[in-house]
Amino acid sequence: QTVVTQEPSVSASPGGTVTLTCGLSSGSVSTSHYPSWYQQTPGQGPRTLIYNTNTRSSGVPDRFSGSILRNKAALTITGAQADDESEYHCVLYMGTGIWVFGGGTKLTVL
Amino acid sequence: QVQLKESGPGLVKPSGTLSLTCAVSGGSVSSSYWWSWVRQPPGKGLEWIGEVYHTGNTNYNPSLKSRVTISVDKSKNQLSLKLTSVTAADTAVYYCARLDQLIQHEWGQGILVTVSS
Repeated sequence: QTVVTQEPSVSASPGGTVTLTCGLSSGSVSTSHYPSWYQQTPGQGPRTLIYNTNTRSSGVPDRFSGSILRNKAALTITGAQADDESEYHCVLYMGTGIWVFGGGTKLTVL
Repeated sequence: QVQLKESGPGLVKPSGTLSLTCAVSGGSVSSSYWWSWVRQPPGKGLEWIGEVYHTGNTNYNPSLKSRVTISVDKSKNQLSLKLTSVTAADTAVYYCARLDQLIQHEWGQGILVTVSS
């Protein structure tokens, strides 16, 4: 069974740059997995940040960017702000109509 | 911009059937996109349940496939989820979402469903 991996927790300094990753338990992530990223604060539903690897959703600041980095999907936040402190989820399309979510990464900005 | 809104009972008895609907506005379920259901147990991550196309074609999470039915009603512009034989492990916030490879993903606000007697 395919497992999508994310760091359980990551910390960033205000104004700093941080990269979250989304990998596979077996194999490499590519653009064919159409990786997407969501931000979620407590009590709220997911907000789409990035879809199709690197396309920002409307209204998302350009300090959020998506890429493929060393065989994983990556979400990079440049100039981290206090209100970026959230849970971040990724999802990968596994082909044959199956999507698999990672376990989520809790980002702390301190 | 498409908007999604889930509705249905917030409490379901064990061994019963969970039934939810998702009303789509600002867009059409007849568009060439896949429409999904996703759930999130309290304090846990997101789990994809399955998806439906306007033709009625479906794909399901293998771990839930035997208990899930997702359908689309074009006349009402909505999609539906049925999950049978529920247990406490099915307690979660249920979201409908448009998850498609090449277009912006959209999410509903979610609805909490508790399985309890």
